[in-house]
Formats: sequence, C-alpha cells, structure tokens
Amino acid sequence: ETGVTQSPTHLIKTRGQQVTLRCSSQSGHNTVSWYQQALGQGPQFIFQYYREEENGRGNFPPRFSGLQFPNYSSELNVNALELDDSALYLCASSLGGWAGETQYFGPGTRLLVL
Amino acid sequence: QKEVEQNSGPLSVPEGAIASLNCTYSDRGSQSFFWYRQYSGKSPELIMFIYSNGDKEDGRFTAQLNKASQYVSLLIRDSQPSDSATYLCAVNTANAGNMLTFGGGTRLMVKP
Repeated sequence: ETGVTQSPTHLIKTRGQQVTLRCSSQSGHNTVSWYQQALGQGPQFIFQYYREEENGRGNFPPRFSGLQFPNYSSELNVNALELDDSALYLCASSLGGWAGETQYFGPGTRLLVL
Repeated sequence: QKEVEQNSGPLSVPEGAIASLNCTYSDRGSQSFFWYRQYSGKSPELIMFIYSNGDKEDGRFTAQLNKASQYVSLLIRDSQPSDSATYLCAVNTANAGNMLTFGGGTRLMVKP
C-alpha cells in the first residue's frame, strides 16, 4: 500500500455530465499528478500540482481541470464528459515536483461514460 | 513515433527462468527511468528506478540503462507465477518537470 487514496473507486456517468474525482496524497508528499489510463494502454499524464499550483500539463483539453488543497489533497474535474473519457484515472503523489522524483500511485477511479 | 515503446507481448516464460523486458525511448534528454508492475484491474506499483548508465540490482530484479542506445530493460530472475502482470516502462523526459511518459506495457506470463 502506498498511502495514496482515491475516491470513488467506480463511477458511471452519461455523456455531457460533469465528474469530480478525489485524491489524498501520501503523508509528507506535496505533489500530486493525475493520469488517464485507457484499457490496454499505458497511463497518460493529465497534469500535476505542486504546493497548490499547477506544475505541468499534458495534452488534455481545458475541460479537464484540477485543484490542490492546503493539505495537498487534490481533485480532478472533467466537464462535458465524452465516451472516450471512460478510463482508469490514477493519482500519484511524490515528495516534490522536481524531475526524477518517484511517484507512487493510488488505487485509481474507474470511470465509465455511457 | 511513440516516445516510449514496449513490446505488448505476451511474453511467456517458464517458472524459474529469466524474463527480459525491454523499452526504448526517443528523447535523448531523458534523465530518469522507472519500471512499474500492474496486475489486472489494479494500479501501477513501483518496482525500481534507474538514473545512470549500467545495471542496478534489487533482489530478483535488475534494471539496465544504456543512454547511448536509448534503451532500458528489466530482468526478472527466478520468475514466479506471481510475477505475471503488465510491466510499464516510464521515462521522465527533459524539461518536463516531473511528468512521466509511459510505454504501453509488456504483458508477462510465467507458466508453472
């Protein structure tokens, strides 16, 4: 167990709806990264938060947004859900946001968009 | 061309054999390399990381890095059926902060 928790574990939404996923980082970690993993593929980087500020963003549209709170927990929000948003959403925490820092993954939230 | 490439497999090895998993990457400025194991339906679990050219050993696992050839590999000695999983190679590319770029993973099957 990494100490990274995510909620909910599973979620079913319909196209056009909005969703919020939550992540609590490992104790002592101030950086949270979010990844999307489609079935049969490797995780793809969405964005990272370091001390409550966005510290990098992957190739995802603006309808993917996030927040980090003072306790370093984080939220991923997705608006106007599309069928292709169905995936496993992974949160990873690390000690810092610098290059090479090891990231530890939570159990993930499986999102199904109908 | 994908930035991080892995053979999707499945790679099938008998119990007790050495499993060799390979990964190539395109960005010559890549600095940090990670291997994660992912069981079906679960999240990725860190096995080991390597930053410098050469070999790094941790128990039954050995990571090998060759930056000149842009190649990183993972060897699993004395493979066990419990090693059956998908192995993900992840690379921290230059000027990308702490973003990890993952390959598609190699599925390993260890047969008793």
